[in-house]
Amino acid sequence: EVQLVESGGGLVKPGGSLRLSCEGSGFTFSNAWMSWVRQAPGKGLEWVGHIKSKSDGGTTDYAAPVKGRFTISRDDSKNTIYLQMNSLKTEDTAVYYCVRHQLVFTSWGQGTLVTVSS
Amino acid sequence: DIVMTQSPDSLAVSLGERATINCKSGQSVLHSSTNKNYLAWYQQKPGQPPKLLIYWASTRESGVPDRFSGSGSGTDFTLAISSLQAEEVAVYYCQQYYDTPYTFGQGTKLEIK
Repeated sequence: EVQLVESGGGLVKPGGSLRLSCEGSGFTFSNAWMSWVRQAPGKGLEWVGHIKSKSDGGTTDYAAPVKGRFTISRDDSKNTIYLQMNSLKTEDTAVYYCVRHQLVFTSWGQGTLVTVSS
Repeated sequence: DIVMTQSPDSLAVSLGERATINCKSGQSVLHSSTNKNYLAWYQQKPGQPPKLLIYWASTRESGVPDRFSGSGSGTDFTLAISSLQAEEVAVYYCQQYYDTPYTFGQGTKLEIK
């Protein structure tokens, strides 16, 4: 069974930083493309970015609102991806989901809440 | 960016009746090299993450009841639930995976009448 478990969410002040983690199991993690998708309270879904498998180049791509502030990385030895979030804004407040990405978003974690507020 | 627009924003349907949700993309998501529509549908129940229902516009994910069906091509797509069950109260999203940034529709809230 595929499992994705996010951690690292919490309350942070505007301008601050936070790092989210997502550990995967039940599939060959090193072969997987992984995405982060967020959902602001009461709102819809927004793709944040993805990281390809190392065999596909390991490159990243980001949505415009987070480009230059957020960085996705992976450690296949730990079956984990990370989302480093810097220069956080109030509009980054959301539940952040880790998603296994096989073109479509096939498996989702339960999400971790990030609240950006003074 | 490919803008995805769903209609209606909310929908109330009686138990056992048919529900249909529409999704329109700002440009075609039919890829010429594969002849496939890069369009998916997700279901999100309250307090839960989204769940993949349909991909390639009309292929049901494993385990999804055959009450759910997807149709359409190019820029216009439909999700249909043939006989609504109480457990299908949820928000439904369409999504294009034709190109980054991957984009979702705004969601359609399905309720019981």
